[in-house]
Amino acid sequence: GDSVTQMEGPVTLSEEAFLTINCTYTATGYPSLFWYVQYPGEGLQLLLKATKADDKGSNKGFEATYRKETTSFHLEKGSVQVSDSAVYFCALNSGGYQKVTFGIGTKLQVIP
Amino acid sequence: DTAVSQTPKYLVTQMGNDKSIKCEQNLGHDTMYWYKQDSKKFLKIMFSYNNKELIINETVPNRFSPKSPDKAHLNLHINSLELGDSAVYFCASSHGQGVTIYFGEGSWLTVV
Repeated sequence: GDSVTQMEGPVTLSEEAFLTINCTYTATGYPSLFWYVQYPGEGLQLLLKATKADDKGSNKGFEATYRKETTSFHLEKGSVQVSDSAVYFCALNSGGYQKVTFGIGTKLQVIP
Repeated sequence: DTAVSQTPKYLVTQMGNDKSIKCEQNLGHDTMYWYKQDSKKFLKIMFSYNNKELIINETVPNRFSPKSPDKAHLNLHINSLELGDSAVYFCASSHGQGVTIYFGEGSWLTVV
């Protein structure tokens, strides 16, 4: 079955540091890949997505590239801010009836 | 305007009680979901409805019963609440396959 593996947090960074949160997946076919973000006390929001190999999703300074050869979709940001502190979820949808598989979530804490 | 709204946001209740969480989406989507997030932030799908038909029913106790009166609504009723039911319950919706899921802000259920 489908699965998503992402690094377990928490990840603590200083403001303006470089961020990488690793995500790898196992899926049948050609899934769509997503990063969702959950700020404290809120629901999940889509951060970015990629629907085919070599696509790059980007939003709010975050980027992730769909790498089929390594089955990865790592999240990166060049310079994090305190406001980026949240839980980040990698997810995939390999089609069928919209059954999205989520990773365990990685908590990011950015300190001033 | 809120796209996916769920009520109540907070619910504290005693063991053995029956409670409902309501969800409505105004996005015109054809698929709605209930997810459960535990204290470690792990997100697990419970149910999915497409055009009012149940299409995903994960291993969930039969004390949990979803009801979809129409495409825009998916309510969750829980009978005989147990301590282990304490969690955050997220309603979500989507349209089509392999596309973005939109989440509500969550309902924090505490069973005492």
